Order: sequence, then structure tokens, then C-alpha cells
Amino acid sequence: QSALSQPASVSGSPGQSITIPCTGTNSDLGSYNHVSWYQQHPGKAPKLLIYEVNERPSGVSNRFSGSKSGNTASLTISGLQAEDEADYYCCSYAGSITSPSFVMFGGGTKLTVL
Amino acid sequence: EVQLVESGGGLVQPGGSLRLSCAASGFTFSSYWMNWVRQAPGKGLEWVANIKQDGSETYYVDSVKGRFTVSRDNAKNSLSLQMNNLRAEDTAVFYCARGDINWYPHFDHWGQGILVTVSA
Repeated sequence: QSALSQPASVSGSPGQSITIPCTGTNSDLGSYNHVSWYQQHPGKAPKLLIYEVNERPSGVSNRFSGSKSGNTASLTISGLQAEDEADYYCCSYAGSITSPSFVMFGGGTKLTVL
Repeated sequence: EVQLVESGGGLVQPGGSLRLSCAASGFTFSSYWMNWVRQAPGKGLEWVANIKQDGSETYYVDSVKGRFTVSRDNAKNSLSLQMNNLRAEDTAVFYCARGDINWYPHFDHWGQGILVTVSA
């Protein structure tokens, strides 16, 4: 079972909105709402931004939002700020406890704020 | 404040063993699934293993099955990962991450990470 598919990089200017897609299959991401998103700055631990497709933990800016349609989940960041420049990872339940992995991550997307 | 602090990393030869520990504080440790997630140098995140609140269920990524064992001591608020027969491809930063009260696979708090290097 391969990792979820994300674009390697995206970019946007301050104040703009960007969307990062994450594509799975109808056996994993498409069948469950256990999708989460993480932000990772260089040399730092990941930070949970979104869980269960569109839930935001307390303390996370409402500029971050999540959605899902079919086999693709998306993270949208509105009002881009310089500090949003980081790597972003999607994550999903793999669909079965007998899968090669209980949990799957995407390959990561590097966001550049121009 | 939730804190997760990993220890036990370092340099080990291929075929060797290492035991990672994660000291948890600031929350009721026994109420949560706990996880190990790793990141090879310059690469993405990879989930490694998790363990249920009472230790009765554990799951592993295929590449470590039979070599790694996750365990927990709720009395000591401690999570461990015993790694045997280590390979070069296990070289990574290993993170201890808190899961959910249910089994849902999201991780809301992470340790700072500990580097494991497998090399001759």
C-alpha cells in the first residue's frame, strides 16, 4: 500500500489562499473520515492542524481548514503569512488493521510563501 | 502542559539493538493510545507502531514487524520501543506521539524527536 499522494511543492503570496490536495484510494482515505494534517517547520516536530477531515484543535488558527471529496482530501490555508512556510503532511487510516500500515502519511508538500 | 520527551537514541551497528523511551507528563497517560512515528533524514513521516491504553493491542508497519516491540508502563507514564536487528534503513528521527482516546489515527502532541543512526 503506497503512501498518500501530495504535490511536492506549492507556493503563494502573502494574503492569498492555497490548497494542498491529498489523494488516496477508495480503500483508505475515500472510505473513512480519519484524515489529519500536520505542519512541520525545519528541525521541529510536526504540529497537528486538522483532524477527522475538518476539525481544528484548540489553538490552531481558523486560517487552516480541511475538506474531503471522494478519494481526495484538501488543506486550505487562507490569508497566507510568512510563518506558514513549512512542510505539510496529510495522514489517513489505512483501512484495515491487516494493512501493511495502520496509518498512512502523504509524501509531504513544501509550501513557499513568495 | 502536555510533554513528551524521548530518550535512548544514538549510533548502532547494523544488526544491533536499541531501546527508545518516551516520558509523558501533563495528561492522563493511561487514557490515550500512544504512537511512534519516524522520519528518515530529508524524507517524510512514517508511522511505526501504536499501543492501546492498556497495552492489549499493538500494531506495526510491515517493515518493522518481528523486529520492533512497543510497550508502555502506565504506572510510570512511559512508552518504549525495543528495536532489534536494526538496518541502515531504520536510520531516522523517532517521535513519540499521543494518539486519541479512541483508536482514531491522529496525533495531537509530539515529542522533540530522537535520532537513531544505524551504521557500521
